[in-house]
Amino acid sequence: DQQVKQNSPSLSVQEGRISILNCDYTNSMFDYFLWYKKYPAEGPTFLISISSIKDKNEDGRFTVFLNKSAKHLSLHIVPSQPGDSAVYFCAARAQTGANNLFFGTGTRLTVIP
Amino acid sequence: DSGVTQTPKHLITATGQRVTLRCSPRSGDLSVYWYQQSLDQGLQFLIQYYNGEERAKGNILERFSAQQFPDLHSELNLSSLELGDSALYFCASSRIPGGSNEKLFFGSGTQLSVL
Repeated sequence: DQQVKQNSPSLSVQEGRISILNCDYTNSMFDYFLWYKKYPAEGPTFLISISSIKDKNEDGRFTVFLNKSAKHLSLHIVPSQPGDSAVYFCAARAQTGANNLFFGTGTRLTVIP
Repeated sequence: DSGVTQTPKHLITATGQRVTLRCSPRSGDLSVYWYQQSLDQGLQFLIQYYNGEERAKGNILERFSAQQFPDLHSELNLSSLELGDSALYFCASSRIPGGSNEKLFFGSGTQLSVL
């Protein structure tokens, strides 16, 4: 049962435009959400996170929005750069005391120069 | 470089065989996690260790086992391998086991191919 879902396997965006990656979750016990970026032949690297007590967190060109009522979060990248081309994974952690993360299936972002 | 080291990077073996994947966490990290990424799938949590003890268990098959040693490195043992076990296996580490908004640092993975 996939508790974290990324329904768009791929996304292509022109350089300089906004990239919006979406993520939905089903477990209401999730209290912390993260986005990881993965380049080929590398492990996922942390990008940005948000706690369930917030609805927005911004870090430079990256902003994550959380809509708890809809169980939906999104990652906005503005402006998009060719170096942002990678697979982006949404992840969530439950309020269980363990720190393991539940991951979505990823969205491959391609930024076209 | 995340500081998490996984060996080997690639492993090719046959069905029915047994393999061991190794992970060295970041310096100072006490918790180790194992994840499996099959084709077109997200990362599936397998198991977590903290300071040598099993902390949490996910979708880990009975044919799979893991341990964390006193020097904090961890090994994931996969036995009676099947074609469907072919996947990318990631190790991650963090300082503490949970209860805070601590992020995980991932190694570059071991690509296992079962032929």
